Amino acid sequence: DIQMTQSPSSLSASVGDRVTITCRASQGISNYLAWYQQKPGKVPKLLIYAASTLQSGVPSRFSGSGSGTDFTLTISSLQPEDVATYYCQKYNSAPFTFGPGTKVDIK
Amino acid sequence: QVQLVESGGGVVQPGRSLRLSCAASGFTFSSYGMHWVRQAPGKGLEWVAVISYDGSNKNYADSVKGRFTISRDNSKNTLYLEMNSLRAEDTAVYYCAKDAHYGGNSATDFWGQGTLVTVSS
Repeated sequence: DIQMTQSPSSLSASVGDRVTITCRASQGISNYLAWYQQKPGKVPKLLIYAASTLQSGVPSRFSGSGSGTDFTLTISSLQPEDVATYYCQKYNSAPFTFGPGTKVDIK
Repeated sequence: QVQLVESGGGVVQPGRSLRLSCAASGFTFSSYGMHWVRQAPGKGLEWVAVISYDGSNKNYADSVKGRFTISRDNSKNTLYLEMNSLRAEDTAVYYCAKDAHYGGNSATDFWGQGTLVTVSS
């Protein structure tokens, strides 16, 4: 099975900073990659699918890129409401494995 | 609006069984694949199982294969997860989630609030 890794596991940044999270698949998955945001005590929310397509209603400061095995999620200007754990997920074929998550907080 | 409401969680002894349900509304349930995803306390998300829109295709995580069964009743707009031979490591909040797009192999765009399953003697 394809394994998903994320880096860093956690980060602390200032409001307005540009934040980048990396997700890596152990084998190529084309662009079958989604990013989710889970705020503390809340249900996960889809941010990006097909590696770079922004889900409806998601602020434009979020963007995704990559294909094959290496992907990134970028928050162009970190806001206080972006404090959350971010997960990538592969969905090219089962199992639809999630990455271990990246916890983002405000410095 | 899309609503997914899970039920059936609770405290169960190791080795016993439990059936979770997910009642769907606000969309054409019979047109979308559906998933179960779980999250152990303080841990990350773990994908559990998926079923195609018509129930003809099912896939499972290795951790539950042979013990859990996903199914659906499109006449009742309801998704199920039958969990047998439960173990302590199955303790988690179980979420049902809807495919974002037709045709399978999709991200998930709506999630229920989850139901907690605790496996303990």
